Amino acid sequence: EAQVTQNPRYLITVTGKKLTVTCSQNMNHEYMSWYRQDPGLGLRQIYYSMNVEVTDKGDVPEGYKVSRKEKRNFPLILESPSPNQTSLYFCASSESRGIEGYTFGSGTRLTVV
Amino acid sequence: RKEVEQDPGPFNVPEGATVAFNCTYSNSASQSFFWYRQDCRKEPKLLMSVYSSGNEDGRFTAQLNRASQYISLLIRDSKLSDSATYLCVVIGNYGGSQGNLIFGKGTKLSVKP
Repeated sequence: EAQVTQNPRYLITVTGKKLTVTCSQNMNHEYMSWYRQDPGLGLRQIYYSMNVEVTDKGDVPEGYKVSRKEKRNFPLILESPSPNQTSLYFCASSESRGIEGYTFGSGTRLTVV
Repeated sequence: RKEVEQDPGPFNVPEGATVAFNCTYSNSASQSFFWYRQDCRKEPKLLMSVYSSGNEDGRFTAQLNRASQYISLLIRDSKLSDSATYLCVVIGNYGGSQGNLIFGKGTKLSVKP
């Protein structure tokens, strides 16, 4: 089944403790992206990647890192999480720069205390 | 002016009603347009792409007016299962965000028996 898999689904952590949210897609998509969703603000792009070893900042990249060492994986790294990074995170992938629409993962609900 | 604007609703309608959602976008360089559906706390899912010629999928009709930078979604004979938040999404090909999905904040629809 074609899908984008995110892990974990839920995470509660403490301020400053490094964490990684994994994202993997099995559709051989070139384009991958991370979004966060907050009440009243909608979905905002954090980082995106157009191919292996090619990543770039989205609209809200501060406090996040990503890597794209393999085509299928696009992990999101929070080196020193803070409470303002409490949010619902979605990973998404697309075949052709989003022109055909994106497939989203099921989301990761992160709480930083 | 926000990049993608939608009426946040909520729209509360009875079963069988016809409901229309509107969306405006600010950047005339935008090249692709979509409607996504998002159920509570779930990932957004592609409902339909929007073409200049208009397109229809069962009870759903989407239209694009490039001159007015306006997108619409019409749902006929609404069902209880149509209750969700509908996201207007635009892709630009400008600046450093090629292929970036820009989301409206969504319009919440609640269909009542």
